[in-house]
Amino acid sequence: DTGVSQNPRHKITKRGQNVTFRCDPISEHNRLYWYRQTLGQGPEFLTYFQNEAQLEKSRLLSDRFSAERPKGSFSTLEIQRTEQGDSAMYLCASSRDTSKHEQYFGPGTRLTVT
Amino acid sequence: GDSVTQMEGPVTLSEEAFLTINCTYTATGYPSLFWYVQYPGEGLQLLLKATKADDKGSNKGFEATYRKETTSFHLEKGSVQVSDSAVYFCALSDRNGGFQKLVFGTGTRLLVSP
Repeated sequence: DTGVSQNPRHKITKRGQNVTFRCDPISEHNRLYWYRQTLGQGPEFLTYFQNEAQLEKSRLLSDRFSAERPKGSFSTLEIQRTEQGDSAMYLCASSRDTSKHEQYFGPGTRLTVT
Repeated sequence: GDSVTQMEGPVTLSEEAFLTINCTYTATGYPSLFWYVQYPGEGLQLLLKATKADDKGSNKGFEATYRKETTSFHLEKGSVQVSDSAVYFCALSDRNGGFQKLVFGTGTRLLVSP
């Protein structure tokens, strides 16, 4: 396994701009998760995909956020009309479709909205 | 909803000291329990896990036992090293809805001095 990769690692944007992040999960992992981590806090769940289907979204995911996972491979998370409160680390994780519940995390994308 | 409570940090120890980081949880049903570690500048790494009551997870000298009666999953290590300095997150796997959303505590920073 090459691990979960995320791009970009850092993104600085101005308020009101749109941003898109990419996550490449571990190959053969059919479950993919997005979390958000703010300074001094633990990660908070945003959304979950099983293959290409988005099966769960948190209330934290406002209508400015959208996530996709075309063909059940990589995933993108887009934030439209960014706000300063969106500044955080966005983490992606993947897991196999088993009962072991082990999720493997990528290095994250740190977003700064100025 | 489900939640995880960790002791606040930072925890400051000298090398070779004994480590305990307390973690308690609130959950419906029978969650799986995890400890993740985040080294400076790196992503979250799974440290250890336990999937049912009285299970003991262990890895790299760290241990934690799933205590259903006290709803706890305290992390322990007999002799810490400077390289153990990191942020440690306790988490549970919420299986409501048939998928494994992780619910994290706020993290505990460990600082080990030579």
